[in-house]
Amino acid sequence: DAGVIQSPRHEVTEMGQEVTLRCKPISGHNSLFWYRQTMMRGLELLIYFNNNVPIDDSGMPEDRFSAKMPNASFSTLKIQPSEPRDSAVYFCASSLKAQPQHFGDGTRLSIL
Amino acid sequence: AQSVSQHNHHVILSEAASLELGCNYSYGGTVNLFWYVQYPGQHLQLLLKYFSGDPLVKGIKGFEAEFIKSKFSFNLRKPSVQWSDTAEYFCAVNNDYKLSFGAGTTVTVRA
Repeated sequence: DAGVIQSPRHEVTEMGQEVTLRCKPISGHNSLFWYRQTMMRGLELLIYFNNNVPIDDSGMPEDRFSAKMPNASFSTLKIQPSEPRDSAVYFCASSLKAQPQHFGDGTRLSIL
Repeated sequence: AQSVSQHNHHVILSEAASLELGCNYSYGGTVNLFWYVQYPGQHLQLLLKYFSGDPLVKGIKGFEAEFIKSKFSFNLRKPSVQWSDTAEYFCAVNNDYKLSFGAGTTVTVRA
């Protein structure tokens, strides 16, 4: 079992640039989640996909954030344009519905 | 909306001491309950889960948790901690798909 795979592990970029985070869920899982973790706000759910369809995006901070899941084995989270306050660790998780979520190693994003 | 409260923000204890972390949730329906652990610089890992049945759940690394429905609680325990248990611990409640996390408790174990 390869687990949830995220890339890149670290990203440092200047404000205003576009940032794309990638996630490959565990094969066979039909639910995918994007979370953001910061010291101030803890773990926040950004968006949830079920069978590749976005079900709940109420946690997406603003229009600068977008997420896609073109197929069952790949998802992206995009920030355009990026701002320093977007600096955080972004986790992707996958599961079979209602089963425990399995988390990736995260992407540590720093916006300068 | 459901919420999850963890009683302690930071716990410091010595090796071999007993650990108990409190967790309460505010949802009256059927829920699934989880404890996750996050070691420094790592991702969240599942410690244990409760779906139904015996309310005393045993997880990995000697951890256990007790579900008390009348108190809406799911406290985590370990009889004797080790230095390697230093981590952040998150209680989580799942109703349908959405996993609501508590704010986390940082546990520091002194050698």
